[in-house]
Amino acid sequence: RKEVEQDPGPFNVPEGATVAFNCTYSNSASQSFFWYRQDCRKEPKLLMSVYSSGNEDGRFTAQLNRASQYISLLIRDSKLSDSATYLCAVNDYKLSFGAGTTVTVRA
Amino acid sequence: ETGVTQSPTHLIKTRGQQVTLRCSSQSGHNTVSWYQQALGQGPQFIFQYYREEENGRGNFPPRFSGLQFPNYSSELNVNALELDDSALYLCASSLTGDWGYTFGSGTRLTVV
Repeated sequence: RKEVEQDPGPFNVPEGATVAFNCTYSNSASQSFFWYRQDCRKEPKLLMSVYSSGNEDGRFTAQLNRASQYISLLIRDSKLSDSATYLCAVNDYKLSFGAGTTVTVRA
Repeated sequence: ETGVTQSPTHLIKTRGQQVTLRCSSQSGHNTVSWYQQALGQGPQFIFQYYREEENGRGNFPPRFSGLQFPNYSSELNVNALELDDSALYLCASSLTGDWGYTFGSGTRLTVV
């Protein structure tokens, strides 16, 4: 079983829509989690950390479900500029990444 | 505050050659880690350095080696290059490893 697994998508949504996707992790002792955004052929950029109580940053909401060992990312009111690959990462002294979820927002 | 910088940005090497990639960590960051990202995949952890000592290694063969210097900059060396080594190599730095890592823009290595 891979350490971190993501739904690869692609998610193709219209502007203004809500899109959500999950990421599962295998190590139940993992303590810190992140979502990164990666644009084509560029480096990953930290989107947000994921806290136990869930957290929100503008249109983005991250949730952590320890019992089921998954994290989620929800994007509300999608913009064209949200089109990217979203990588979840689990920090167990090093970052373990999923393969990424591709989101395309269309006009 | 300067971010993470990597050099070179692009590189073409021949199978069997050796390559050295360089990374300057973000100011104040003492932890540097290296990742390999093949096309369509997530970044894969190669190894990590904390205060000049390797403190973690992923599933990569010994021909992948590294160094961290007193100023926390780092090098990744790959010997006996193989075609499958073609990838984007990312360096990331962090203050303690507990918080988010900041990535450099990467070195795109092509082995022919």
